[in-house]
Amino acid sequence: SQQGEEDPQALSIQEGENATMNCSYKTSINNLQWYRQNSGRGLVHLILIRSNEREKHSGRLRVTLDTSKKSSSLLITASRAADTASYFCATGLSGGSNYKLTFGKGTLLTVNP
Amino acid sequence: DTGVSQDPRHKITKRGQNVTFRCDPISEHNRLYWYRQTLGQGPEFLTYFQNEAQLEKSRLLSDRFSAERPKGSFSTLEIQRTEQGDSAMYLCASSPGLAGGRQYFGPGTRLTVT
Repeated sequence: SQQGEEDPQALSIQEGENATMNCSYKTSINNLQWYRQNSGRGLVHLILIRSNEREKHSGRLRVTLDTSKKSSSLLITASRAADTASYFCATGLSGGSNYKLTFGKGTLLTVNP
Repeated sequence: DTGVSQDPRHKITKRGQNVTFRCDPISEHNRLYWYRQTLGQGPEFLTYFQNEAQLEKSRLLSDRFSAERPKGSFSTLEIQRTEQGDSAMYLCASSPGLAGGRQYFGPGTRLTVT
């Protein structure tokens, strides 16, 4: 079953604009991760934020985490055509099963040149 | 830097046939995971190995599915008597010992059952 839900399901923007994707989840987590998937390929890890962190940056990426609302957001600044991909949030759960990831359905981002 | 590799990348098979996929993790990673991804969905966890021990299997993994990781190195995922509903991308990932940390994914094996 899917733990997270990304919003929106699809997002289309122009190159240079910022893209914001949101993720909501249901249970207590150890960490939340964002992955990117280009069409028909494997997943590439983007960033991991732990449950005791509120914000994290990596290059053009900014991730926030609100554990009280069980939600996270991924901001990609100054988007490029190469950012076109599906983006998934994945949660690492607290407790005994904290080795596996539970993914949302993803947001399909299209960046138009 | 050698990443996670999977073989084959694509497999087309007829319903009822058996198929086997292979995953070679990053060599120093002791944890290996299999996920399945259908069109328009996120990956769903199937099973997990720590070294050679299979520690959890999802209820998605019916008795037609079996996974092994002999000697804690590469892993195989076999599907017996394939059904059209088995058509999906099968993703393998590996990670070092830190629980709940980043996972490194292979390119996936796309299975089409006709």
